[in-house]
Amino acid sequence: AQSVSQHNHHVILSEAASLELGCNYSYGGTVNLFWYVQYPGQHLQLLLKYFSGDPLVKGIKGFEAEFIKSKFSFNLRKPSVQWSDTAEYFCAASFYNQGGKLIFGQGTELSVKP
Amino acid sequence: SAVISQKPSRDICQRGTSLTIQCQVDSQVTMMFWYRQQPGQSLTLIATANQGSEATYESGFVIDKFPISRPNLTFSTLTVSNMSPEDSSIYLCSVEPGLAGDNEQFFGPGTRLTVL
Repeated sequence: AQSVSQHNHHVILSEAASLELGCNYSYGGTVNLFWYVQYPGQHLQLLLKYFSGDPLVKGIKGFEAEFIKSKFSFNLRKPSVQWSDTAEYFCAASFYNQGGKLIFGQGTELSVKP
Repeated sequence: SAVISQKPSRDICQRGTSLTIQCQVDSQVTMMFWYRQQPGQSLTLIATANQGSEATYESGFVIDKFPISRPNLTFSTLTVSNMSPEDSSIYLCSVEPGLAGDNEQFFGPGTRLTVL
């Protein structure tokens, strides 16, 4: 069965530190990849997505992610985090011919210390 | 994008009772989904709500426990039936407008359910 895994359950960083959150998926076929963010008390919002084309995608708030097909990975990066980036981050994938449903990773809780 | 509202935003219910959650979208969409987010866990798809036909349930979820209605392209309901404390979760509605062709989904604010 297709799956998505996130390597880090909880990440704690100081402001201005660089961030990289890992995400791997299990399927070797056509896949669309997403990173969603859930700020405290708010609903899920899309950070960025990969559909096709340039494997380096840029999203909102200075986030970017790189799709590496050979590694089945879609890691999220930000060069300098802010306290306001404190949130839960979810990697998700939709796989070809699966009716558009999203499969989510376990989520990574990011805490940024001021 | 799509704006999604859910009612109720939260509820506390007694075991054995049922709760119906409503999801309203501000535009017509083909694809609507219901997810569950159990405490401290990720999102799990319950079912795809199909307009004009029965919902498509994921493994581990059944219609008797989670009946779903989809009377039109902007509205859906999820009922959590015969509740037990294990049903305490956040239930989320999402839609895929399908405009970009990439399965991007927009999520509602969720319904936080506590079962005593």
